[in-house]
Amino acid sequence: EDQVTQSPEALRLQEGESSSLNCSYTVSGLRGLFWYRQDPGKGPEFLFTLYSAGEEKEKERLKATLTKKESFLHITAPKPEDSATYLCAALTNSGYALNFGKGTSLLVTP
Amino acid sequence: DSGVTQTPKHLITATGQRVTLRCSPRSGDLSVYWYQQSLDQGLQFLIQYYNGEERAKGNILERFSAQQFPDLHSELNLSSLELGDSALYFCASSVDQLLRQETQYFGPGTRLLVL
Repeated sequence: EDQVTQSPEALRLQEGESSSLNCSYTVSGLRGLFWYRQDPGKGPEFLFTLYSAGEEKEKERLKATLTKKESFLHITAPKPEDSATYLCAALTNSGYALNFGKGTSLLVTP
Repeated sequence: DSGVTQTPKHLITATGQRVTLRCSPRSGDLSVYWYQQSLDQGLQFLIQYYNGEERAKGNILERFSAQQFPDLHSELNLSSLELGDSALYFCASSVDQLLRQETQYFGPGTRLLVL
């Protein structure tokens, strides 16, 4: 059975304190690994798609990387406005729907 | 703004009732997906339509049904509502062509509360 697991469940950082969020996946044939940001009560906002091991993508303070078993979302010098829940999701060869992890709730304090 | 619209934003109803949630995909997107998000389950895939045809089903209850119309908007119908159906319902759309145009863009959601 396809499984996507995110850790930690919650993370509290001081402004400027860099860290990484983990997304490990056990799926049959990864077609793409997606990262989304979700603010409370809002829809997930697309951040990145990664397709193959070794691929990296960057956007402002965020950098996503992919290996054969997991993906990391690195947050460099975060600001309070980076506070949100970060979701990763796998798209596999066995279907068309995204298989989501439960998310990491990030709080960045001034 | 993702370009995906959903109405209504909020819906309060009673057990046993039926409601309809509406979604308009981004311009040019042929695929529409419906997801349910509850506190304990996270985001769960319900159903996908592609250019008017049902393409994939997830954990969708028999009380729930959906359709996609010729103008590509979609409706999710929830009937015989139970307290446990209270959740956020999201619609997403994608171009869904070959060459990796599969990123799903999500709408703002409909918050359903069943009393």
